[in-house]
Amino acid sequence: AQKVTQAQTEISVVEKEDVTLDCVYETRDTTYYLFWYKQPPSGELVFLIRRNSFDEQNEISGRYSWNFQKSTSSFNFTITASQVVDSAVYFCALSEAPRGYSTLTFGKGTMLLVSP
Amino acid sequence: GAGVSQSPSNKVTEKGKDVELRCDPISGHTALYWYRQRLGQGLEFLIYFQGNSAPDKSGLPSDRFSAERTGESVSTLTIQRTQQEDSAVYLCASSQRGSGQPQHFGDGTRLSIL
Repeated sequence: AQKVTQAQTEISVVEKEDVTLDCVYETRDTTYYLFWYKQPPSGELVFLIRRNSFDEQNEISGRYSWNFQKSTSSFNFTITASQVVDSAVYFCALSEAPRGYSTLTFGKGTMLLVSP
Repeated sequence: GAGVSQSPSNKVTEKGKDVELRCDPISGHTALYWYRQRLGQGLEFLIYFQGNSAPDKSGLPSDRFSAERTGESVSTLTIQRTQQEDSAVYLCASSQRGSGQPQHFGDGTRLSIL
């Protein structure tokens, strides 16, 4: 069975600090997808990134970067120079491909609080 | 609008009553998912629809829960004889067909059972 673990329940940083959110996953499939979603206080889940299991290239988008390492089954998310608007709950999720659709298994989320 | 639309945004009801939640997916998205998010928790998968195929109901927690979808349009999630443990935010998502497609979520319905 697939599983996603986000060991950090809550992280507090001061604005402009860098912060890394950890995600470790378990799956028996060789083909799978990993996602990060952001859930601000307003409640709506916002899609941030998708990675497939064959692409281990790290990705950077502005202040956001993602480090995917199959050897350690991790897909960590780093925010550089954090801002107050980054305060949210961040979810890592996994979907397995064989069924041809993408039921997501979510971690329990990491609440990030960025103080001015 | 262009996003997933859910109604009502909030629902308060007495234990034992039936409730119906509605989801209107993004136009052109053939896949539709329902999830439940309990306070402080991650999302739990409930049910998946894809076009006219049989739905994947493997996440429904009991036979009090059911959902319907007509074609590729609106879906309704029904909870019968509600219990206090049903209190949660119910989220709907839609995506294009196929593995790995990003799911786009609505704002959810916050259900409170008194």
